Amino acid sequence: GAGVSQSPSNKVTEKGKDVELRCDPISGHTALYWYRQSLGQGLEFLIYFQGNSAPDKSGLPSDRFSAERTGGSVSTLTIQRTQQEDSAVYLCASSVKGAAFFGQGTRLTVV
Amino acid sequence: GDSVTQMEGPVTLSEEAFLTINCTYTATGYPSLFWYVQYPGEGLQLLLKATKADDKGSNKGFEATYRKETTSFHLEKGSVQVSDSAVYFCALSPSAGNNRKLIWGLGTSLAVNP
Repeated sequence: GAGVSQSPSNKVTEKGKDVELRCDPISGHTALYWYRQSLGQGLEFLIYFQGNSAPDKSGLPSDRFSAERTGGSVSTLTIQRTQQEDSAVYLCASSVKGAAFFGQGTRLTVV
Repeated sequence: GDSVTQMEGPVTLSEEAFLTINCTYTATGYPSLFWYVQYPGEGLQLLLKATKADDKGSNKGFEATYRKETTSFHLEKGSVQVSDSAVYFCALSPSAGNNRKLIWGLGTSLAVNP
């Protein structure tokens, strides 16, 4: 597609369940980011993939969070044993020459 | 390490007022600089960028000039409209090192009243 695609757009899950969020970046973009944004807040960096380099996982808030990027393209963010404080919009962006292009996000609600 | 500092909001202006949102940075070398905008209920969009000193990025009436001497990239618009109400984020992409991940400011909320 023309832009970054994220799915699902909305996810409601019960506390304690695992969730997977998917990101399809723009073709050819070697860099991919995951961010989290709570209502009215700024961007919270989670993880950064750049080509074949080891990902920068320094923003992952706990070991319940993990992400992978297969074949340098699609990425999946997994949250295990979800907690209510995980409720937020999860944004994916892919990047070329420094400029990032964002998807519309996945709104996660943990009930 | 690299960092971005932008003025705190919220900023409230009347329509047709002049807008400045300050952004300063700390970085090694010559980073690329960006402004992003997030309209209510929407995702982040790249607004403008500059990749070297003295470059001026411009889009939708907004401008920002890459000032190496003051390490700044202030966003300006001569006459704001109600439709400019949004959150604006300044960001930089490092030019050196193995980790080139974007560094973000905290965002500045702008409300324009008719």
